[in-house]
Amino acid sequence: DAGITQSPRYKITETGRQVTLMCHQTWSHSYMFWYRQDLGHGLRLIYYSAAADITDKGEVPDGYVVSRSKTENFPLTLESATRSQTSVYFCASSDTAGTRNTGELFFGEGSRLTVL
Amino acid sequence: AQSVTQLGSHVSVSEGALVLLRCNYSSSVPPYLFWYVQYPNQGLQLLLKYTSAATLVKGINGFEAEFKKSETSFHLTKPSAHMSDAAEYFCAVSGFGNNRLAFGKGNQVVVIP
Repeated sequence: DAGITQSPRYKITETGRQVTLMCHQTWSHSYMFWYRQDLGHGLRLIYYSAAADITDKGEVPDGYVVSRSKTENFPLTLESATRSQTSVYFCASSDTAGTRNTGELFFGEGSRLTVL
Repeated sequence: AQSVTQLGSHVSVSEGALVLLRCNYSSSVPPYLFWYVQYPNQGLQLLLKYTSAATLVKGINGFEAEFKKSETSFHLTKPSAHMSDAAEYFCAVSGFGNNRLAFGKGNQVVVIP
């Protein structure tokens, strides 16, 4: 199905473990983003990518790693998970073609991560 | 840089009453403005957007918002609240040609029967 999908939807892990959250989009959007959502903080940008092999830091990048070897995939890795990384993570994409370049984001359903 | 202010994290409204969520933005370039809605355990979905055409924008589910440049505002309204409007609402702004949105902290709307 067309759209943007995240996996897993729910994950429980332990402090110090590596976790990878997957994001896949079928629209061929050039931009992709990772946000985390926490009570009292709203949505905060972790990393974003303008195209394959181009990534950049957002507001809260520490403790996270991203890659984008293919346009459609944008995985987010927590190399050594900490309790403060317990959150809901959202992947999003946007289209930059011509007049559609408004910055409008299309979101996945989210991945709820709990670090014990 | 762009930024958004949404006041009042929780908003209670009676069923059938007016819904009014305030959004003020800051932008050094002509902005694009968005309202997103998030239902429980779901991602954000676009409610409506302003992209420099009509200043009064109509969205889904009976919501509308008016862009007022002089007030740097983009308030969201709905004349009559339904129980199904209970959700979290986010205002967001981007600059012209800028693919990074700045989000407000959100308003959690509770509809009282």
